[in-house]
Amino acid sequence: EAQVTQNPRYLITVTGKKLTVTCSQNMNHEYMSWYRQDPGLGLRQIYYSMNVEVTDKGDVPEGYKVSRKEKRNFPLILESPSPNQTSLYFCASSFQGPRGEQFFGPGTRLTVL
Amino acid sequence: DAKTTQPTSMDCAEGRAANLPCNHSTISGNEYVYWYRQIHSQGPQYIIHGLKNNETNEMASLIITEDRKSSTLILPHATLRDTAVYYCIVPMDSNYQLIWGAGTKLIIKP
Repeated sequence: EAQVTQNPRYLITVTGKKLTVTCSQNMNHEYMSWYRQDPGLGLRQIYYSMNVEVTDKGDVPEGYKVSRKEKRNFPLILESPSPNQTSLYFCASSFQGPRGEQFFGPGTRLTVL
Repeated sequence: DAKTTQPTSMDCAEGRAANLPCNHSTISGNEYVYWYRQIHSQGPQYIIHGLKNNETNEMASLIITEDRKSSTLILPHATLRDTAVYYCIVPMDSNYQLIWGAGTKLIIKP
């Protein structure tokens, strides 16, 4: 089944404790992206990647890192999480870049205490 | 900032056509209009996109005005499962990334 998976789905952590949210897709898509969503708002892009070893900042990259060492995986790294990073995170992938149909993961709900 | 304007919420009776408007008056000539929806807090789902011609797929129809300053997403026979937030999106010029607004919360009523 074609899908985007994220792990963990839920995470409660404390300020300053490094964490990684994994994202994996099995559709051989070149484009992948991370978004965060806060209550009542649409999605805001954190980082995106047009291909392996190519990443770019989105609208809200501060406090986040990403890497794209292989096509299927695009982990989101929070080196020192803070409470303002409490949010719902989505990973997405697409065959034709942002112009194509983006497939989204189920989301990761992160709480930073 | 999002480049689109949508109503905050709409109701529609089950079985009727749901018509969701979107204003994108600053759209440029080569930008597509995209529609996604999000059911509760699930990952958004792609619906349809178009440039200037009307588009139809198994989920919906997209009607774009001739001047391309607005569009309407039509769900022809709405069901309760169509209750969701619907996002109308126009990409940023500089890097073609999608800018999401708050969308329209569509409630389908029995």
